[in-house]
Amino acid sequence: GESVGLHLPTLSVQEGDNSIINCAYSNSASDYFIWYKQESGKGPQFIIDIRSNMDKRQGQRVTVLLNKTVKHLSLQIAATQPGDSAVYFCAENPFRSGGGADGLTFGKGTHLIIQP
Amino acid sequence: DTGVSQNPRHKITKRGQNVTFRCDPISEHNRLYWYRQTLGQGPEFLTYFQNEAQLEKSRLLSDRFSAERPKGSFSTLEIQRTEQGDSAMYLCASSLLGGNYEQYFGPGTRLTVT
Repeated sequence: GESVGLHLPTLSVQEGDNSIINCAYSNSASDYFIWYKQESGKGPQFIIDIRSNMDKRQGQRVTVLLNKTVKHLSLQIAATQPGDSAVYFCAENPFRSGGGADGLTFGKGTHLIIQP
Repeated sequence: DTGVSQNPRHKITKRGQNVTFRCDPISEHNRLYWYRQTLGQGPEFLTYFQNEAQLEKSRLLSDRFSAERPKGSFSTLEIQRTEQGDSAMYLCASSLLGGNYEQYFGPGTRLTVT
């Protein structure tokens, strides 16, 4: 089965509110995690990443939290905007070959809907 | 636009025909990846290259699928004797070995097998 999954297929939030998207993974060997955003008809777009030696990383309006104890990853988006509406995927890379990113394992995705 | 381009963007073919897709990665990127994405699912890894060497193939890459990257620049993905189950979005990504491991995705090629 999949080693990365998401808890909620659809999340609806009011514009301006904060949103939290969750992800569970099962491969304890994974060393690198990424959140991607995918808009309709487009390829996934990198949002933020985090390595397993960290538990939190912040970007512009986004924060990723990693809890290795329970194998849980979350993406927090602050002050959501209409342009944040998209499908969000978490992905993991187990560094099978070392030295660089290998094939990523993606979850099913959460569709974030921003209500005006 | 990430700088990764894919052609064609859409392809409709009849069952049993062969199709070939092309990916042009970001020019200095030495790793190139192929993924498949079906509706409502996340991308699934198929294979990747480091320069011209194909380093890994997933179990999803059946014998009907073949990928090449002959000069370490662009790559092609060929599907022989297409089946309706091959209908999907085929995504290409590239990254820089020794960089920050970020994979930059192209817009994908949408394949419909009738």
